[in-house]
Amino acid sequence: EVQLVESGGGLVEPGRSLRLSCTTSGFTLGDYAMSWFRQAPGKGLEWVGFIRSKTSGGTTEYAASVKGRFSISRDDSKSIAYLQMNNLKTEDTAVYYCTRHNSGWYGDYWGQGTLVTVSS
Amino acid sequence: DIQMTQSPSTLSASVGDRVTITCRASQSITSWLAWYQQKPGKAPKLLIYKASTLESGVPSRFSGSGSGTEFSLTISSLQPDDFATYYCQQYNSYWTFGQGTKVEIK
Repeated sequence: EVQLVESGGGLVEPGRSLRLSCTTSGFTLGDYAMSWFRQAPGKGLEWVGFIRSKTSGGTTEYAASVKGRFSISRDDSKSIAYLQMNNLKTEDTAVYYCTRHNSGWYGDYWGQGTLVTVSS
Repeated sequence: DIQMTQSPSTLSASVGDRVTITCRASQSITSWLAWYQQKPGKAPKLLIYKASTLESGVPSRFSGSGSGTEFSLTISSLQPDDFATYYCQQYNSYWTFGQGTKVEIK
């Protein structure tokens, strides 16, 4: 069974950093591209960033709202994808989801999400 | 950036009703469109991809159609489990979502 489990969320002050983890099971992480999405309280869904599989170069892309502050990495040997969030702002408050992209580039599996609250 | 516009924002319906949600893209996305269902406190669940392909395990009362810039999601006979928020998502160029359609009990 494919599973994605996010962790690492919590309350953090503006300007600080946080690292989220997406622990996967039931499939070989190395074969897949992964994305992070977020959903602010009571709002819609927003794409945050993306990492290609290592065989496709392992490169990353980011939404303009987080570019230069957030970075995505992966440790395929541990089946974990990461979202490093630096210089957090109050508007980054959201539930963060990781997703698996199949060859069709839509997200076929999503984690349950982890809440990040940025507040002083 | 490709903008996605869904309508209506809220839809009130009864069990057994046929409901349709529409989604418009700001430029052609051919058929690179997915539909998701989200319930409160839960992750989005994939229903349809490539505009009209039903994800495995999704009931056949859900169907999708369209191409280019105009798309729709239809539930042929609304069931109690279907009351939720629905999002369209384009994946032609990165990923953007419509603002969502909440299907509520009439």
